[in-house]
Formats: sequence, structure tokens, C-alpha cells
Amino acid sequence: GDSVTQMEGPVTLSEEAFLTINCTYTATGYPSLFWYVQYPGEGLQLLLKATKADDKGSNKGFEATYRKETTSFHLEKGSVQVSDSAVYFCALLMDSSYKLIFGSGTRLLVRP
Amino acid sequence: NAGVMQNPRHLVRRRGQEARLRCSPMKGHSHVYWYRQLPEEGLKFMVYLQKENIIDESGMPKERFSAEFPKEGPSILRIQQVVRGDSAAYFCASGSGRFPEAFFGQGTRLTVV
Repeated sequence: GDSVTQMEGPVTLSEEAFLTINCTYTATGYPSLFWYVQYPGEGLQLLLKATKADDKGSNKGFEATYRKETTSFHLEKGSVQVSDSAVYFCALLMDSSYKLIFGSGTRLLVRP
Repeated sequence: NAGVMQNPRHLVRRRGQEARLRCSPMKGHSHVYWYRQLPEEGLKFMVYLQKENIIDESGMPKERFSAEFPKEGPSILRIQQVVRGDSAAYFCASGSGRFPEAFFGQGTRLTVV
């Protein structure tokens, strides 16, 4: 079935370091792809999304490009801040479906 | 995000008790989705409801779990005779259409002791 695989965490970085969180997916069709962020003690917030191949989603300095050839949607940020410390979830939504399929999440810890 | 209200934020129940989790969707939203997040796992779809209708409950355990979204009032996720394995964070999302990707509540963290 359809699934999402994320790199395991925690990922620990120093402030201003470059961030990559890997996400790959398996799907029978052409899904929309999402990154959600969960700050400590809070719910999920949509960070960015892409709906078709080669689309780039971006928000708050984060970017991810929908790569159909590698079935990937890696999250990147050029310079992380302490306030970016959170759990990041990659997710997919198949066309005509309403069930988001989530990866297991990657915890990011940014040290000052 | 802040528009979808869930309560309580934290709930502690003893084994065998009932847990009732509430979700008030954003104003104008008539579609509600419940997800469960087990420790160290991603969220898993449980149920999709519209006002007074259950559209898809394929992710709900067959026993002890039920959900409703009445004409008036919040959506309720009810877990009867809770067991330790029910300990999880339960999230609700709402939307005005069939695609709930944008608006999640803060979740209810259920602990069964």
C-alpha cells in the first residue's frame, strides 16, 4: 500500500547549520506531498506542500521539491534557528482521497 | 491551526473507564477527521465524519471505539473500557471540503493507567 518513509531522528544541529530531512514515498498514483511541523506540546501545522512533480513548496525558509523520479520530497533549510526545534512529518494524500498518510516523524533539535 | 479546538488537552483514565474526546471544527467547516498518534509513530487515520454522518470509519478499531458529529455541538470520539494500548495522542482535523490537509487541532493526549 501507499506509505511514507522518513529518516530517523533525532537530528541535532547547531544554529545556522544546513538542514536536510529525507522523505521518500511509495504510491500507486500521483499523490500530493506535505510537510507538517509539530512544536512541543502543540498540534500539527502545515509547513509546505507540493501537488505535482517538480513543484517546489516553500515556507519560513524551508523548501522541498517533489521528485517523481526518485519518489522523494526532502525538506531543506539553509540556516536553522533554535526555534525550528520540533518534530517534522512528511505526508502524502492520494488524488481523490481524504486520508493523509504520514511518516513516523523526525525530531530536530537545534542548539544555540 | 488554532481554530480547531480539542478538549481536554490531557486526559488520564484508569483501565476499564470511558474516555470522551471532543473536537470543535473551525467555523464554517462541516468535515471532521480523527487521527491517532502512537508513541514514536506518525499519525494514522481513524475516521471521517460529516455532520450527522460517518463517511469512513475504516481506521477505527472494531470494538470499544465510536465517533459522532451531531448537528449541533462538537465531534466526539468515545473509547469504552480503555486499555493501556489506547494511550496515544488523538488529533482532529477539519475542513470545508474533503481534503483536510491544512487544519489540525492541538490534540488530546490520553494516558491509561
